[in-house]
Amino acid sequence: SQQGEEDPQALSIQEGENATMNCSYKTSINNLQWYRQNSGRGLVHLILIRSNEREKHSGRLRVTLDTSKKSSSLLITASRAADTASYFCAQNSGGSNYKLTFGKGTLLTVNP
Amino acid sequence: DADVTQTPRNRITKTGKRIMLECSQTKGHDRMYWYRQDPGLGLRLIYYSFDVKDINKGEISDGYSVSRQAQAKFSLSLESAIPNQTALYFCATKGADEETQYFGPGTRLLVL
Repeated sequence: SQQGEEDPQALSIQEGENATMNCSYKTSINNLQWYRQNSGRGLVHLILIRSNEREKHSGRLRVTLDTSKKSSSLLITASRAADTASYFCAQNSGGSNYKLTFGKGTLLTVNP
Repeated sequence: DADVTQTPRNRITKTGKRIMLECSQTKGHDRMYWYRQDPGLGLRLIYYSFDVKDINKGEISDGYSVSRQAQAKFSLSLESAIPNQTALYFCATKGADEETQYFGPGTRLLVL
């Protein structure tokens, strides 16, 4: 399986704290994407980082990519209770067959 | 109205029954995907389609079949349902010039 891994599997923090989730993948990539899933609902795209980028920001989200280590991290700053969700990384390994390979996810709980 | 819809949202069926899950989209995307999600395993790709005449197997296609009736519709069938097909099923779409996928709300399937 080419499925990546998120770390940690679960994370519980207090409102206002920062949350960091890590993702490791196995093959070379064109881009790596992060998605969010509220309990039992569909995934929503958060941010995409390309293989030639090292860091990207979007609002309270910061994503880093280290292609030499085949890893990425997602930082959510000043977390809110509404950030409680599962977060998945997904690798696009390119080619004409466009597919995403999802990791197993990190369940983030932000306590009020 | 939601851009990607799935019907039914919940389904209970018995072992050996044939069932169909349906996905419709109004985004005008040519690419459509079916995934299943199991607790702790993230999303795994079942089938994907780049247009009406182009259907491809994903990582876990055994026991499933699909039909792309039109650009906007992509159906997933379980020919003879078995209990280990109990899962949350998601449809997703992607435009040819885009890199992110858009997910439906999911169908929760229970096979008894």
